[in-house]
Amino acid sequence: KQEVTQIPAALSVPEGENLVLNCSFTDSAIYNLQWFRQDPGKGLTSLLLIQSSQREQTSGRLNASLDKSSGRSTLYIAASQPGDSATYLCAVRGLYSGAGSYQLTFGKGTKLSVIP
Amino acid sequence: EPEVTQTPSHQVTQMGQEVILRCVPISNHLYFYWYRQILGQKVEFLVSFYNNEISEKSEIFDDQFSVERPDGSNFTLKIRSTKLEDSAMYFCASSVHFGSGTRLTVV
Repeated sequence: KQEVTQIPAALSVPEGENLVLNCSFTDSAIYNLQWFRQDPGKGLTSLLLIQSSQREQTSGRLNASLDKSSGRSTLYIAASQPGDSATYLCAVRGLYSGAGSYQLTFGKGTKLSVIP
Repeated sequence: EPEVTQTPSHQVTQMGQEVILRCVPISNHLYFYWYRQILGQKVEFLVSFYNNEISEKSEIFDDQFSVERPDGSNFTLKIRSTKLEDSAMYFCASSVHFGSGTRLTVV
């Protein structure tokens, strides 16, 4: 059974700092990996999706890397801003299960606070 | 950017009542999903739906839950007799795209 772990659980940084959020997963047989942002009490905003054949994806100040063989992904946020404060969730999508599904398994998230 | 629409955004219901959560997935997608997130906990997979039938379901998705796509567009999650522990945010997903969720509060 796939398990996804995110470290740290919470992180507080001053504005302007670059930071890295970590995600690890136990089963490397994945279809893709997705990073989400969640604001308190709100829905999930997809940030980046990396296919299993890719090493990284970039969007603006965000860069996500994937090392499938070691079961790790990182989300790099450059020049952090107070508006980046949120919980960041990592989720992996398993290979076709035979039962016909590509469901996501989520980590608990890293709660980021960017201090002005 | 394609959108997944969920209604209502918030529903309060009495314990034992039936609720129906609605989702309009992206029209040309094939796989649809329901997930839930109890406050302070992980997002958990409930069920996947492909070709108008359930393709996989989790242990959480017991007999009180059902899904259907009654008119080829809307995708619904029904909870037959709600319990306090069903209080959660429920997310619909169409392939990799998520809706903004329905917050269900059971009182």
